[in-house]
Amino acid sequence: DAGVIQSPRHEVTEMGQEVTLRCKPISGHDYLFWYRQTMMRGLELLIYFNNNVPIDDSGMPEDRFSAKMPNASFSTLKIQPSEPRDSAVYFCASSLVGSDEQYFGPGTRLTVT
Amino acid sequence: AQSVSQHNHHVILSEAASLELGCNYSYGGTVNLFWYVQYPGQHLQLLLKYFSGDPLVKGIKGFEAEFIKSKFSFNLRKPSVQWSDTAEYFCAVNGPLTGGGNKLTFGTGTQLKVEL
Repeated sequence: DAGVIQSPRHEVTEMGQEVTLRCKPISGHDYLFWYRQTMMRGLELLIYFNNNVPIDDSGMPEDRFSAKMPNASFSTLKIQPSEPRDSAVYFCASSLVGSDEQYFGPGTRLTVT
Repeated sequence: AQSVSQHNHHVILSEAASLELGCNYSYGGTVNLFWYVQYPGQHLQLLLKYFSGDPLVKGIKGFEAEFIKSKFSFNLRKPSVQWSDTAEYFCAVNGPLTGGGNKLTFGTGTQLKVEL
Protein backbone atom coordinates (compact mmCIF):
# COMPACT_ATOMS: atom_id res chain seq x y z
CA ASP A 1 0.00 0.00 0.00
CA ALA A 2 1.22 3.49 -0.80
CA GLY A 3 0.25 4.86 2.58
CA VAL A 4 -1.54 8.13 3.17
CA ILE A 5 -0.93 10.53 0.31
CA GLN A 6 -1.03 14.29 0.68
CA SER A 7 -0.67 17.04 -1.86
CA PRO A 8 0.88 19.44 -2.31
CA ARG A 9 3.92 18.82 -0.12
CA HIS A 10 4.72 22.51 0.01
CA GLU A 11 2.47 25.47 -0.58
CA VAL A 12 3.41 29.12 -0.51
CA THR A 13 0.63 31.62 -0.94
CA GLU A 14 -0.20 35.22 -0.23
CA MET A 15 -2.52 36.38 2.48
CA GLY A 16 -6.11 36.38 1.33
CA GLN A 17 -5.76 33.59 -1.17
CA GLU A 18 -7.68 30.34 -1.02
CA VAL A 19 -5.67 27.24 -0.17
CA THR A 20 -6.79 23.66 -0.72
CA LEU A 21 -4.95 20.73 0.81
CA ARG A 22 -5.65 17.20 -0.37
CA CYS A 23 -5.49 13.80 1.24
CA LYS A 24 -5.94 10.25 0.05
CA PRO A 25 -6.26 7.82 2.98
CA ILE A 26 -5.14 4.23 2.98
CA SER A 27 -7.63 2.13 1.07
CA GLY A 28 -10.17 0.48 3.35
CA HIS A 29 -9.59 2.79 6.29
CA ASP A 30 -12.76 4.12 7.91
CA TYR A 31 -11.39 7.15 9.73
CA LEU A 32 -9.64 10.22 8.41
CA PHE A 33 -8.06 12.92 10.56
CA TRP A 34 -6.70 16.38 9.79
CA TYR A 35 -4.03 17.80 12.12
CA ARG A 36 -2.10 21.04 12.24
CA GLN A 37 1.39 21.22 13.71
CA THR A 38 3.14 24.43 14.78
CA MET A 39 6.02 25.18 17.10
CA MET A 40 3.79 27.19 19.39
CA ARG A 41 0.79 24.88 19.65
CA GLY A 42 2.21 21.46 18.83
CA LEU A 43 -0.02 18.88 17.15
CA GLU A 44 -3.70 19.89 17.04
CA LEU A 45 -6.59 17.80 15.76
CA LEU A 46 -8.72 19.94 13.46
CA ILE A 47 -11.44 17.55 12.33
CA TYR A 48 -12.05 13.90 11.76
CA PHE A 49 -14.37 11.79 9.60
CA ASN A 50 -15.84 8.34 9.97
CA ASN A 51 -17.11 6.74 6.78
CA ASN A 52 -16.92 10.13 5.05
CA VAL A 53 -19.08 11.84 7.69
CA PRO A 54 -17.56 14.61 9.82
CA ILE A 55 -17.72 13.50 13.45
CA ASP A 56 -15.92 16.22 15.37
CA ASP A 57 -14.89 19.58 13.95
CA SER A 58 -14.39 21.32 17.28
CA GLY A 59 -10.72 21.80 16.51
CA MET A 60 -11.32 23.85 13.38
CA PRO A 61 -9.98 27.30 14.26
CA GLU A 62 -12.67 29.41 12.62
CA ASP A 63 -15.05 29.68 9.71
CA ARG A 64 -12.19 30.27 7.30
CA PHE A 65 -11.42 26.56 7.59
CA SER A 66 -13.58 23.89 6.00
CA ALA A 67 -13.10 20.20 5.28
CA LYS A 68 -14.91 17.76 3.07
CA MET A 69 -14.76 14.09 2.32
CA PRO A 70 -16.83 13.45 -0.80
CA ASN A 71 -15.85 9.78 -0.96
CA ALA A 72 -13.84 7.17 0.92
CA SER A 73 -10.63 7.89 -0.97
CA PHE A 74 -10.40 11.67 -0.91
CA SER A 75 -10.59 14.57 1.49
CA THR A 76 -9.84 18.27 1.27
CA LEU A 77 -9.03 20.94 3.81
CA LYS A 78 -9.70 24.44 2.56
CA ILE A 79 -8.65 27.76 4.02
CA GLN A 80 -10.36 30.83 2.61
CA PRO A 81 -9.09 33.48 3.02
CA SER A 82 -5.67 32.42 4.25
CA GLU A 83 -3.71 34.42 6.84
CA PRO A 84 -0.05 34.36 7.89
CA ARG A 85 -0.97 32.71 11.19
CA ASP A 86 -2.23 29.70 9.23
CA SER A 87 1.37 28.87 8.34
CA ALA A 88 1.99 25.37 9.65
CA VAL A 89 2.43 21.75 8.63
CA TYR A 90 -0.90 20.07 8.00
CA PHE A 91 -1.05 16.31 8.41
CA CYS A 92 -3.68 13.88 7.31
CA ALA A 93 -3.97 10.48 9.00
CA SER A 94 -6.22 7.48 8.56
CA SER A 95 -7.10 4.45 10.61
CA LEU A 96 -9.17 1.31 10.54
CA VAL A 97 -12.13 0.87 12.86
CA GLY A 98 -11.19 -1.27 15.85
CA SER A 99 -7.48 -0.55 15.48
CA ASP A 100 -6.95 3.00 16.81
CA GLU A 101 -3.49 3.10 15.22
CA GLN A 102 -3.28 6.13 12.95
CA TYR A 103 -1.15 6.24 9.83
CA PHE A 104 0.12 9.69 8.98
CA GLY A 105 0.78 11.23 5.62
CA PRO A 106 3.94 13.20 4.81
CA GLY A 107 2.24 16.52 5.52
CA THR A 108 1.79 19.77 3.63
CA ARG A 109 3.99 22.64 4.69
CA LEU A 110 1.93 25.79 4.23
CA THR A 111 3.48 29.23 4.23
CA VAL A 112 1.22 32.25 3.99
CA THR A 113 3.05 35.52 3.33
CA ALA B 1 -11.75 14.72 28.78
CA GLN B 2 -8.70 12.59 28.33
CA SER B 3 -5.35 14.29 28.84
CA VAL B 4 -1.79 13.14 28.25
CA SER B 5 1.24 14.64 29.96
CA GLN B 6 4.79 14.45 28.73
CA HIS B 7 6.85 16.12 31.38
CA ASN B 8 10.14 16.28 29.51
CA HIS B 9 9.90 18.83 26.71
CA HIS B 10 13.55 18.75 25.71
CA VAL B 11 16.08 16.03 26.42
CA ILE B 12 19.73 16.03 25.42
CA LEU B 13 21.77 12.84 25.69
CA SER B 14 25.11 11.56 24.55
CA GLU B 15 25.28 8.53 22.32
CA ALA B 16 25.06 5.23 24.24
CA ALA B 17 23.24 6.86 27.14
CA SER B 18 20.01 5.31 28.34
CA LEU B 19 16.71 6.99 27.61
CA GLU B 20 13.47 7.18 29.50
CA LEU B 21 10.68 9.53 28.43
CA GLY B 22 7.72 9.95 30.71
CA CYS B 23 4.06 9.75 29.71
CA ASN B 24 1.09 9.92 32.05
CA TYR B 25 -2.58 9.87 31.13
CA SER B 26 -5.57 11.01 33.09
CA TYR B 27 -7.97 8.07 32.89
CA GLY B 28 -7.24 4.76 34.60
CA GLY B 29 -9.72 2.53 32.82
CA THR B 30 -9.23 0.57 29.64
CA VAL B 31 -7.02 2.51 27.27
CA ASN B 32 -4.92 1.91 24.21
CA LEU B 33 -1.50 3.56 24.31
CA PHE B 34 0.92 4.60 21.61
CA TRP B 35 4.31 6.17 21.09
CA TYR B 36 4.92 7.94 17.81
CA VAL B 37 8.21 9.36 16.55
CA GLN B 38 8.74 12.27 14.19
CA TYR B 39 12.21 12.53 12.66
CA PRO B 40 13.28 15.99 11.50
CA GLY B 41 11.23 17.07 8.51
CA GLN B 42 9.20 13.89 8.43
CA HIS B 43 5.74 12.70 9.43
CA LEU B 44 4.75 10.83 12.56
CA GLN B 45 5.48 7.13 12.56
CA LEU B 46 4.35 4.51 15.04
CA LEU B 47 7.09 3.28 17.38
CA LEU B 48 5.03 0.91 19.47
CA LYS B 49 1.58 0.36 20.91
CA TYR B 50 -0.15 -1.29 23.81
CA PHE B 51 -3.68 -2.69 23.61
CA SER B 52 -3.65 -5.53 26.15
CA GLY B 53 -1.54 -8.39 27.47
CA ASP B 54 2.10 -8.09 28.47
CA PRO B 55 2.59 -4.58 29.88
CA LEU B 56 6.14 -4.46 28.53
CA VAL B 57 5.87 -3.64 24.87
CA LYS B 58 8.74 -3.82 22.42
CA GLY B 59 8.77 -1.64 19.35
CA ILE B 60 11.01 -0.85 16.46
CA LYS B 61 14.63 0.29 16.67
CA GLY B 62 15.20 -1.10 20.15
CA PHE B 63 12.54 0.97 21.89
CA GLU B 64 10.27 -0.44 24.56
CA ALA B 65 7.57 0.94 26.84
CA GLU B 66 6.04 -0.26 30.05
CA PHE B 67 2.38 0.16 30.88
CA ILE B 68 1.89 0.65 34.62
CA LYS B 69 -1.83 0.89 35.23
CA SER B 70 -1.51 1.87 38.89
CA LYS B 71 0.60 4.87 37.93
CA PHE B 72 -1.36 5.76 34.77
CA SER B 73 1.98 5.71 32.96
CA PHE B 74 3.44 4.46 29.72
CA ASN B 75 7.09 5.46 29.74
CA LEU B 76 9.31 4.97 26.71
CA ARG B 77 12.78 3.49 27.15
CA LYS B 78 15.85 2.61 25.17
CA PRO B 79 18.99 1.24 26.81
CA SER B 80 21.47 2.89 24.44
CA VAL B 81 20.51 5.77 22.17
CA GLN B 82 22.07 6.58 18.82
CA TRP B 83 22.54 9.88 17.03
CA SER B 84 19.84 8.76 14.59
CA ASP B 85 17.30 8.70 17.44
CA THR B 86 17.25 12.50 17.40
CA ALA B 87 13.58 13.24 16.88
CA GLU B 88 10.39 14.35 18.57
CA TYR B 89 8.47 11.69 20.47
CA PHE B 90 4.73 11.78 21.08
CA CYS B 91 2.71 9.73 23.51
CA ALA B 92 -0.96 9.15 22.57
CA VAL B 93 -3.98 7.56 24.19
CA ASN B 94 -7.35 6.27 23.10
CA GLY B 95 -9.95 5.55 25.71
CA PRO B 96 -13.49 6.26 26.87
CA LEU B 97 -12.66 9.90 27.56
CA THR B 98 -10.91 10.56 24.26
CA GLY B 99 -14.07 11.58 22.45
CA GLY B 100 -15.11 8.53 20.55
CA GLY B 101 -14.14 6.51 17.53
CA ASN B 102 -10.49 6.15 16.72
CA LYS B 103 -9.63 9.62 17.97
CA LEU B 104 -6.31 9.83 19.81
CA THR B 105 -5.28 12.32 22.45
CA PHE B 106 -1.64 13.29 21.90
CA GLY B 107 0.83 14.66 24.39
CA THR B 108 2.77 17.82 23.65
CA GLY B 109 5.84 15.89 22.55
CA THR B 110 9.41 15.51 23.79
CA GLN B 111 12.23 16.76 21.65
CA LEU B 112 15.22 14.40 21.96
CA LYS B 113 18.65 15.44 20.79
CA VAL B 114 21.44 12.88 20.81
CA GLU B 115 24.94 14.25 20.66
CA LEU B 116 27.95 12.41 19.30
